[in-house]
Amino acid sequence: DQQVKQNSPSLSVQEGRISILNCDYTNSMFDYFLWYKKYPAEGPTFLISISSIKDKNEDGRFTVFLNKSAKHLSLHIVPSQPGDSAVYFCAASPGTGANNLFFGTGTRLTVIP
Amino acid sequence: DVKVTQSSRYLVKRTGEKVFLECVQDMDHENMFWYRQDPGLGLRLIYFSYDVKMKEKGDIPEGYSVSREKKERFSLILESASTNQTSMYLCATKQTNEKLFFGSGTQLSVL
Repeated sequence: DQQVKQNSPSLSVQEGRISILNCDYTNSMFDYFLWYKKYPAEGPTFLISISSIKDKNEDGRFTVFLNKSAKHLSLHIVPSQPGDSAVYFCAASPGTGANNLFFGTGTRLTVIP
Repeated sequence: DVKVTQSSRYLVKRTGEKVFLECVQDMDHENMFWYRQDPGLGLRLIYFSYDVKMKEKGDIPEGYSVSREKKERFSLILESASTNQTSMYLCATKQTNEKLFFGSGTQLSVL
């Protein structure tokens, strides 16, 4: 049973435009959310996170929005760059101290120059 | 920076072989994890360990075992490799209340 879902397997965006990656979750116990970025033949790297006490967290070109009532989060990348082309995984945890993360299936972002 | 090192980037094995995947971390983190990544399925947890000699099953432990004899080293063992275990295997580590740090992964092909 997939508790974290990324319903778009792929997304293509023109360079300079906004990329919006979406993620839905079903477990109301999740209260800490992360985005990871993965290039081919490399391990995922941490991008940005958000706690459930916030609805927005920003780090440079990357912003994560959390809508707890809808159990939905999104990652905005503005402006998108060709180097952002990668697979993005959404992950959720029932608390920052929990041992495990539950991952979505990933969205492959392609930024077209 | 945290360094998580997986012993092999690519591995080819035959059905029925015993396979060892090694992972070493250099940051004294308590928790270590083994995930596999498959297209369309995301990252799925196989096993994790929160201390030396301690282990917990993840979502898909069948066909796998693990060993953690030293804090810095976490091994994944495929007792008798099968073709459905062809996958990208990712080791990760974290300290309490922190994010996961991943190794570069091992692409295992079982023929």
